[in-house]
Amino acid sequence: DIQLTQSPSFLSASVGDRVTITCRASQDISSYLVWYQQKPGKAPKLLIYAASTLQSGVPSRFSGSGSGTEFTLTISSLQPEDFAAFYCQQLKSYPLTFGGGTKVEIK
Amino acid sequence: EVQLVESGGGLVQPGGSLRLSCAASGFTVSGNYMSWVRQAPGKGLEWVSVLHSGGSTYYADSVKGRFTISRDNSKNTVYLQMNSLRAEDTAVYYCAKNMAGNYAGYWGQGTLVTVSS
Repeated sequence: DIQLTQSPSFLSASVGDRVTITCRASQDISSYLVWYQQKPGKAPKLLIYAASTLQSGVPSRFSGSGSGTEFTLTISSLQPEDFAAFYCQQLKSYPLTFGGGTKVEIK
Repeated sequence: EVQLVESGGGLVQPGGSLRLSCAASGFTVSGNYMSWVRQAPGKGLEWVSVLHSGGSTYYADSVKGRFTISRDNSKNTVYLQMNSLRAEDTAVYYCAKNMAGNYAGYWGQGTLVTVSS
């Protein structure tokens, strides 16, 4: 099975900060990676697919990059509505797996 | 408009069974990949299972042999039959419609399953 390691697991940031979350895969997954955002009590929401393609309707301050085994999700200027948990997921092979998550909280 | 509504969650004793339903509207489940993802209280997301449009099914190692995903095309509904339930199966279970890249593009609101004596 492919393991995904997200870091950090928790980060505290201020509105306007640039935030970067990393997701490392245990083997090459090409660009078969997506990112989700989840707010408390809500279902996850798709942000980015194919490692770097922004889902329709998602603000352009979100961006994704990487391929192979190392990926990043960047929020260029953190907004109040961005405080949430973020998860990566690999789609290269079954069983599909998620990273452990990154919780972004207000400093 | 795509809508997914899960039901069937509740309290069940260890070793018991439960069947979750995911009623879909705005598209046909038979023509799409459908997934179940779960989240234990205070924990991260865990992929559970997928049903391909062609009928193939795949499962997480943690549920293989105990859970079965299926669909009823006439009801446009996907199911997750869960047998031999364990305390560690306690979670909110989400149903999702996959997009062309096999990622979950649309999600239901989730249904809580609690396994406890």
